This record gives sequence, C-alpha cells and structure tokens, in this order.
Amino acid sequence: NAGVTQTPKFQVLKTGQSMTLQCAQDMNHEYMSWYRQDPGMGLRLIHYSVGAGITDQGEVPNGYNVSRSTTEDFPLRLLSAAPSQTSVYFCASRHTGTSTDTQYFGPGTRLTVL
Amino acid sequence: GQQVMQIPQYQHVQEGEDFTTYCNSSTTLSNIQWYKQRPGGHPVFLIQLVKSGEVKKQKRLTFQFGEAKKNSSLHITATQTTDVGTYFCAGHTRGDDKIIFGKGTRLHILP
Repeated sequence: NAGVTQTPKFQVLKTGQSMTLQCAQDMNHEYMSWYRQDPGMGLRLIHYSVGAGITDQGEVPNGYNVSRSTTEDFPLRLLSAAPSQTSVYFCASRHTGTSTDTQYFGPGTRLTVL
Repeated sequence: GQQVMQIPQYQHVQEGEDFTTYCNSSTTLSNIQWYKQRPGGHPVFLIQLVKSGEVKKQKRLTFQFGEAKKNSSLHITATQTTDVGTYFCAGHTRGDDKIIFGKGTRLHILP
C-alpha cells in the first residue's frame, strides 16, 4: 500500500493562477479531507468527502473547490490563487463507520503564491 | 461551530522532565484523537479515545478523556529527544463527519 499520496510536493504560483492539488489513497477509505496548515494556526479543515459523489465544506472553504468522482481520488482546486493561500496542504483519509477512525495523512504540498 | 482549544502553544522542557498538553472542546465529542507531527513532517495518528473517563497508555505516553467528553490530555513521562514535535488533538462530534483540530502544542526538548 502506498497509503495517501499527494502531488506536487512543492508549487509556486502567481496571484490569479489556478491549479489542482492531487490526492490519492489506495486503502479504500470512504472519508477523505483537505487541511491547510499555517504557522500558529494548526490544521484547518477546507473540504471533506464521505464517499464518491459527496463533498462538504469544512472550516475554511472559500477559494477552494473539490470533487470526488472516485473513491481513490480527491483533488483540491484553487480557482484564482491569492497570497493568503500560501500554506502547506495536507490530504487525509480514513474509514467511516468503524470503531477506529485512524486518519492517515499524505506528505503534504507546500504552496507559495506570489 | 465546533471549536477545539489546546494549551500550551509551546513548551520547553529539560530532557527527562514530564510534559502535558491539554485539549478542550466547545461541544461534547463522540471521540478525540491525538496526533504527532515531527518538524517538516506530516501528522501521524497516535490514539483515539471514545469512552467517558477513558485512560490509555502507550509506553511513556498517557492519554485521558474527560468524564464530560469535552476535554482531554496527553502526558509524557521522562521526555526524550525523540519526543520533539507538535502534538495535536482532534475532535469528532457525533452526527458530524468533520474532524476539527486544535492548534497544537510544540514541544522542545533541552538536552
């Protein structure tokens, strides 16, 4: 198992550009989520999904879109990048409906918006 | 909305001293999870607590879940340099699929 994979590892964008952060998992997890991590702010939930075709907003969804067409993939789209979106982005996945909700994180994507 | 508060934000301890971080939720939780993130790394799941008043141990780490299921703590006995990192609690509310993280406690170990 590769676990949770994220691409790219690093990205630099100019203000106004758009891009997609990729996330994939091979553990057949129903639940997937995106977090951003900023110094002193911990991990803030952007969007999450409880299964293919279902997505919902987290704490800080503005400026981001997601879709879940398959169980394995959960891409995060930045529509028009802004400097405030400079951050480290983590994707995570877990099973739902079990007694152990172990959440596995990907290695992260470090994004800089100039 | 649900909020999870964690204190302290930073903690410096001498190697061998004990360390505790505390987590408080604005709402009653169905479970609470603890994670560790090493510098430059990603969060790694440590443990999940589900029952009111639950206490779990992992070697030198002791995790507690409050009776009201609104607070939790992580205690490390006799810290070692390998304990360096940021410790996060994350709360899960019944009926809500979101897992909300506290801001974390960054632990520094002084040799």
